[in-house]
Amino acid sequence: TQLLEQSPQFLSIQEGENLTVYCNSSSVFSSLQWYRQEPGEGPVLLVTVVTGGEVKKLKRLTFQFGDARKDSSLHITAAQPGDTGLYLCAGEETGGSYIPTFGRGTSLIVHP
Amino acid sequence: KAGVTQTPRYLIKTRGQQVTLSCSPISGHRSVSWYQQTPGQGLQFLFEYFSETQRNKGNFPGRFSGRQFSNSRSEMNVSTLELGDSALYLCASSLGSSRTGNTIYFGEGSWLTVV
Repeated sequence: TQLLEQSPQFLSIQEGENLTVYCNSSSVFSSLQWYRQEPGEGPVLLVTVVTGGEVKKLKRLTFQFGDARKDSSLHITAAQPGDTGLYLCAGEETGGSYIPTFGRGTSLIVHP
Repeated sequence: KAGVTQTPRYLIKTRGQQVTLSCSPISGHRSVSWYQQTPGQGLQFLFEYFSETQRNKGNFPGRFSGRQFSNSRSEMNVSTLELGDSALYLCASSLGSSRTGNTIYFGEGSWLTVV
């Protein structure tokens, strides 16, 4: 069983559309990170959220950490082809062994 | 500032062989961690080294091992390769250990194919 469940697994949209990606767990996380991975490259950190209810914005990307620190969402406004990639959430369980857990990712394709 | 460098980028090995992958962290970073990424299992933590000591270990068999040198460079070794070991192996570095919540920076990975 995957500790962090991401949905949807795949997303194919047109340029200009909005989308939301979800990252859910039954465990509480001390922090949660979102990464984007492009083909042939390693993941690149987008944001870290730490406080329950926290909302962070990065240009057209909005990240939210659930109040109970068990879930998070990533919302992209007016998606562009450059947003294409694999979006991964990762976190460390509260009181855990500091071993980061990654979701399986959401593969996003934005068509021009 | 150079990023995390992994070598080799691509390699093909035969079942039963062993392989060594190398990682040079960002200058000044003392923590190096390794991950395995496959389509079926996603990104899974292998182990972390900090100041030449293994700090954390994921749930992988003993065929997977690693080490870190005094200059923070790290190597991981997989012995008796199996077909299922085919994956992208990612190295990541950070200033401090994961216990301090440092940001990790990934390399581009080493693509291993076992035939």
